[in-house]
Amino acid sequence: QVQLVESGGGVVQPGRSLRLSCAASGFSFWNYGMHWVRQAPGKGLEWVAVIGYSGRNKQHADSVKGRFTISRDESKNTLFLQMDSLRADDTAVYFCARDFTGHYTFDFSGQGTLVTVSS
Amino acid sequence: QSALTQPASVSGSPGQSITMSCTGTGSDIGRYNYVSWHQQHPGKAPKLMIYDVANRPSGVSARFSGSKSGNTASLTISGLQAEDEGDYYCISYTGSDTWVFGGGTKLTVL
Repeated sequence: QVQLVESGGGVVQPGRSLRLSCAASGFSFWNYGMHWVRQAPGKGLEWVAVIGYSGRNKQHADSVKGRFTISRDESKNTLFLQMDSLRADDTAVYFCARDFTGHYTFDFSGQGTLVTVSS
Repeated sequence: QSALTQPASVSGSPGQSITMSCTGTGSDIGRYNYVSWHQQHPGKAPKLMIYDVANRPSGVSARFSGSKSGNTASLTISGLQAEDEGDYYCISYTGSDTWVFGGGTKLTVL
């Protein structure tokens, strides 16, 4: 079955960097676009970024554009989110999610990894 | 891009039906038939319940249905069950590979 397992979260100081990973299994990773979605403590979900199945097409939410970069490694079936210049308002649980091809949403998500930006 | 507007909470008794709304603009819900609804239980991953406004993924109960009129989408749950309790988020595609989410509605089964 589809499995998405995020890792790499932790406590980081403002202005520093962190890289999240999402290990995918149970499906043909190379055939699917992938998303990152986040949820601040006690708040709603927020779309962060998407990458196409080939890795060529990427898009980031305005709130993270220029600071975060989504990427993927087909050889490792892994999705990444490089987060630079972190701010306190980036504190959230970060979920990776599989794009539901042709339907402009996502159909499976991982359990998430918590990122806390604090001095 | 402003978030979609959802009521903070709705409630209903077991067996009843409830409807929750999701209001956007002519640039998102009004323009695209790519509205989806996701259920989230505390501490859990979101689960897709409705896609393309009104379609259910396999395995999702037929008690869940979706619709859209103008800039507003709706999720209806009939025959409420205790397990339906949780947070519900609407999502709309907004073009150019971007998405906007609603703030979420907390469903309480009384």
